Amino acid sequence: QKEVEQNSGPLSVPEGAIASLNCTYSDRGSQSFFWYRQYSGKSPELIMFIYSNGDKEDGRFTAQLNKASQYVSLLIRDSQPSDSATYLCAVKHMEYGNKLVFGAGTILRVKS
Amino acid sequence: NAGVTQTPKFQVLKTGQSMTLQCAQDMNHNSMYWYRQDPGMGLRLIYYSASEGTTDKGEVPNGYNVSRLNKREFSLRLESAAPSQTSVYFCASSTGLRETQYFGPGTRLLVL
Repeated sequence: QKEVEQNSGPLSVPEGAIASLNCTYSDRGSQSFFWYRQYSGKSPELIMFIYSNGDKEDGRFTAQLNKASQYVSLLIRDSQPSDSATYLCAVKHMEYGNKLVFGAGTILRVKS
Repeated sequence: NAGVTQTPKFQVLKTGQSMTLQCAQDMNHNSMYWYRQDPGMGLRLIYYSASEGTTDKGEVPNGYNVSRLNKREFSLRLESAAPSQTSVYFCASSTGLRETQYFGPGTRLLVL
């Protein structure tokens, strides 16, 4: 079992719809969770981080964390073609001294 | 304020050749990291430096060495390149191991 799992996609949504990106992790002791966006040929850039159970909103983005289910998600409201990218889930992993462990990423395509 | 810079942007090596990838940050961050990114594998940590003067192995250190030259600079060396080291290499930095990581633009390495 991979430490951090994501559906590779691609996930296709129409412009204006809600995109839902999901991530599961294996280490119950993980404390911090991050979502990075990576455009093709570019470096990852941080979108959001979440530490506590529940929802955290920032503009069109909402991160949701459920530690009991070991599940973190990212919702993108009013999706735009410019949101088309690969979204990487990353977890601060207790087994690795709190270093980040990344999922393989989900490709999102927003169709205009 | 350039953030994290990496050189070179692109490199082609022959099997057995050596080279050093350079990384520098101007954000006064304590911690620096080297990752490789391969299709379908996500980002994998090669080495990291929690603070100036310290370095530690990550998930995939074999075939690599690092030097934390000073607080700003963290280099990655391939002593004898192999085709399996063909990848995109990203350097990142953060204020500390528990903090958000910021990524450089990446170095694309092709080993023939």
